Amino acid sequence: SQQGEEDPQALSIQEGENATMNCSYKTSINNLQWYRQNSGRGLVHLILIRSNEREKHSGRLRVTLDTSKKSSSLLITASRAADTASYFCATTNAGGTSYGKLTFGQGTILTVHP
Amino acid sequence: DVKVTQSSRYLVKRTGEKVFLECVQDMDHENMFWYRQDPGLGLRLIYFSYDVKMKEKGDIPEGYSVSREKKERFSLILESASTNQTSMYLCASSLARREETQYFGPGTRLLVL
Repeated sequence: SQQGEEDPQALSIQEGENATMNCSYKTSINNLQWYRQNSGRGLVHLILIRSNEREKHSGRLRVTLDTSKKSSSLLITASRAADTASYFCATTNAGGTSYGKLTFGQGTILTVHP
Repeated sequence: DVKVTQSSRYLVKRTGEKVFLECVQDMDHENMFWYRQDPGLGLRLIYFSYDVKMKEKGDIPEGYSVSREKKERFSLILESASTNQTSMYLCASSLARREETQYFGPGTRLLVL
C-alpha cells in the first residue's frame, strides 16, 4: 500500500530558485528516504534521515523530518536544469522484520527551466 | 559502485505469453525487490527476496511469481501475461536484511498486446 503522499504533484521553477517538496506518511517509521528518477530511468538514492533526526544536509539538498506531524520536506537549493526529475519519498516502517522494505509515495515531478 | 542490471529496457509480448524479466546485481546484496510503476500509482512492491530461494509477497503479487536460485539474480515471471500488466518494472537490491537504501536497475518497460 502507498503510505507516502507527496505535495505538490508537480512543481515548475526557474533555474537558480529553490524547490521544496513535501511528503506525508501514516504509520511510525524507522527512517525516510528520498529518491530521484530521471525520465524513463531507475531511481537513485539521494538521502536518508532516521526517525530520531530532525534535519539532514547533503550538498544542495536539505531534508527535514517531523515525526509528530508524520511529514518530511526536501529542499533543493539553487536548482539547475539537471535537477529536472521525479522525486519520491520512501519509508521503512517501525517494528517487525521489514527486510528493508520501502513504501513509496507517488512522487513530485520537478521541472527546472533554464 | 553498485550495479543493478535488467535484461531488457523494452519488451513487447502478447496476451497469454509467459514472460521472464531478469535482474542481476554485482555487489553481493542479500535483498532484492521487484516493483511496478504506473502513472498516478507510484511504485508498488510485487515480490521481494532476502536470501537465495527465499521469497515474500509484496503488495501486488497476483499474476506474478519470482525465482532466486542464485544470490545475484532475481527473476520476475508473468505466467500468462495480460494487458493490465503493461507497466514499467523496476528491480532493486539492498545490502543486508535491515539495510534500507535500495539500488535500482534502469527498468524494463513492458507492453502486453
